[in-house]
Amino acid sequence: GAVVSQHPSRVICKSGTSVKIECRSLDFQATTMFWYRQFPKQSLMLMATSNEGSKATYEQGVEKDKFLINHASLTLSTLTVTSAHPEDSSFYICSAKSNTEAFFGQGTRLTVV
Amino acid sequence: AQKITQTQPGMFVQEKEAVTLDCTYDTSDQSYGLFWYKQPSSGEMIFLIYQGSYDEQNATEGRYSLNFQKARKSANLVISASQLGDSAMYFCAMREGPPARRTGANSKLTFGKGITLSVRP
Repeated sequence: GAVVSQHPSRVICKSGTSVKIECRSLDFQATTMFWYRQFPKQSLMLMATSNEGSKATYEQGVEKDKFLINHASLTLSTLTVTSAHPEDSSFYICSAKSNTEAFFGQGTRLTVV
Repeated sequence: AQKITQTQPGMFVQEKEAVTLDCTYDTSDQSYGLFWYKQPSSGEMIFLIYQGSYDEQNATEGRYSLNFQKARKSANLVISASQLGDSAMYFCAMREGPPARRTGANSKLTFGKGITLSVRP
């Protein structure tokens, strides 16, 4: 079936650096992708809706300049955590939409040290 | 505003037995969709089952069934014949607006806090 690939699956970075997470739809074109964040033992919280060719729509309380989203093609959306701090450590997961189905990526576990 | 409530503490079930995971929701929308996802320790979100607000029959997908009580605003997941591989976190989620796609991940979803299910051999 359709696959959404998210990379990397795990990343450890130093405080103050930026980290880019990729979400790819492997066998379909995704006009819309969603980025979620999940703290340990907690629910998924929607961060933003990524639309191909236009600006992302951020949920209330999510800093646009902190979490940069780029959806430059129909198969790729990226989430960049800028100037990462330990409190940004979390599990980030994307979902991608096609015309008929949509699936979640495998998730990225970010640890900022 | 929407709200998904999952209040059960960690659940335990004996292998091969059935288990019910509770979910209640709150919405003023007439059209909405309800979903259950499984999240194993690997982190991926696995779609299990979907119920549209206008669906008259309870949804079933293999060993999974959804006990949809619209008047009570509950959408409990029933797992029959539990298997060791069913041990995971289970999330109930809701999508606002007209029911459309099954898997749900194509729309903005509101998730509950999740329930940890442990299957004992």
